[in-house]
Amino acid sequence: QVQLRESGPGLVKPSGTLSLMCVVSGGSISDNIWWSWVRQAPGKGLEWIGEISFGGHTNYNPSLKSRATISMDKPKNHFALKISSVTAADTAVYYCARFDYDSSNFSYMDVWGKGTTVIVSS
Amino acid sequence: DIQLTQSPSFLSASVGDRVIITCRASQGISSYLAWYQLQPGRAPKLLIYAASTLHSGVPSRFSGSKSGTEFTLTITSLRPEDFATYYCQQLNSYPYTFGQGTKLEIK
Repeated sequence: QVQLRESGPGLVKPSGTLSLMCVVSGGSISDNIWWSWVRQAPGKGLEWIGEISFGGHTNYNPSLKSRATISMDKPKNHFALKISSVTAADTAVYYCARFDYDSSNFSYMDVWGKGTTVIVSS
Repeated sequence: DIQLTQSPSFLSASVGDRVIITCRASQGISSYLAWYQLQPGRAPKLLIYAASTLHSGVPSRFSGSKSGTEFTLTITSLRPEDFATYYCQQLNSYPYTFGQGTKLEIK
């Protein structure tokens, strides 16, 4: 059974870089699926940040204005998120998730981590 | 971006009740819609995908339907563990977007 666990600093200074890791256990990050990041700011709804494929292809939400970078480390079976030039608006719970497809090509995020809180403050 | 409008934002119900949550898309998304359940401190849970397909292991009291650009999540015979916040998500086109959420509370 695949499990995901987010980790990273809980506090980041304004204008700094937020760096998070998502460790995949019970499965391989090289499987033919995608891996995603989603966040939830305090009192707000969910926001899709972006995704990376097993082959390293990425897609991002334009709302982050090119500040987000998603990468993967296949030998260590984890993928990562970096957001540069952070502000208080980047304060949120960050989730990583597995993005898969069924036989009819319908997609979904079926496995999620419990999330990690990141606060942007000096 | 495709906007998803969820209603209601808050819902108060009792154990055993039937509730319906609606999600309306700003444009056609075929059946590329999923529903998730969020509870504090727990990993979000996929309930429904492809508008009406029940994800493996999800109780049959959850169901989804589609009519044009309007989607519904129905929960019958509410159980205590169902009180949570529910989100719809469109996976038709980038950027993937979510509804604003529906918080289901115990009456």
